[in-house]
Amino acid sequence: GAVVSQHPSRVICKSGTSVKIECRSLDFQATTMFWYRQFPKQSLMLMATSNEGSKATYEQGVEKDKFLINHASLTLSTLTVTSAHPEDSSFYICSARYFEREEQFFGPGTRLTVL
Amino acid sequence: GQNIDQPTEMTATEGAIVQINCTYQTSGFNGLFWYQQHAGEAPTFLSYNVLDGLEEKGRFSSFLSRSKGYSYLLLKELQMKDSASYLCAVMDSNYQLIWGAGTKLIIKP
Repeated sequence: GAVVSQHPSRVICKSGTSVKIECRSLDFQATTMFWYRQFPKQSLMLMATSNEGSKATYEQGVEKDKFLINHASLTLSTLTVTSAHPEDSSFYICSARYFEREEQFFGPGTRLTVL
Repeated sequence: GQNIDQPTEMTATEGAIVQINCTYQTSGFNGLFWYQQHAGEAPTFLSYNVLDGLEEKGRFSSFLSRSKGYSYLLLKELQMKDSASYLCAVMDSNYQLIWGAGTKLIIKP
């Protein structure tokens, strides 16, 4: 099956710093990648949808200048949390798909803790 | 607006059968997905239904009725490892996934 990796799996940073999370599709070309955030005991919240080579589409309420998304190739998307604050601490999960009708394959997630 | 409803939590006994329901109202329909998510982990794909009827895959089956905007996930011969959250998601006319809040399934010995 399709495999999606994320790096790092866990990161702890100081308030005010920036953190980059990578999402890679290992055995397929992902035309679309999705970034989700999940707070404890809550459901997935879609943050943004990114298509290779174009700007990401952000969901309402998600600050695009704070959560920078780059989808430079068909196998790599990055999410940068800029000037992170403790309230940004969450579980960030990416997913990828290669056709519109196909299911999304999820990465293992990145647990971000901002001190 | 778009809406996916599923129970917040369910409890079942090891070895038994449990049915998790999902009702939806979305702008268009291009299929319904069920995902399993263990605590602290990312979701994993379980099933996809786009036509009415029952899809069986081992101990798990998923049913869809498009006219009723209804689906269920049926888990048989429950095992302790089935304790997880089960997420229902519908793909709308723009091929975007609309997620339910998830059903936390607790399995008791």
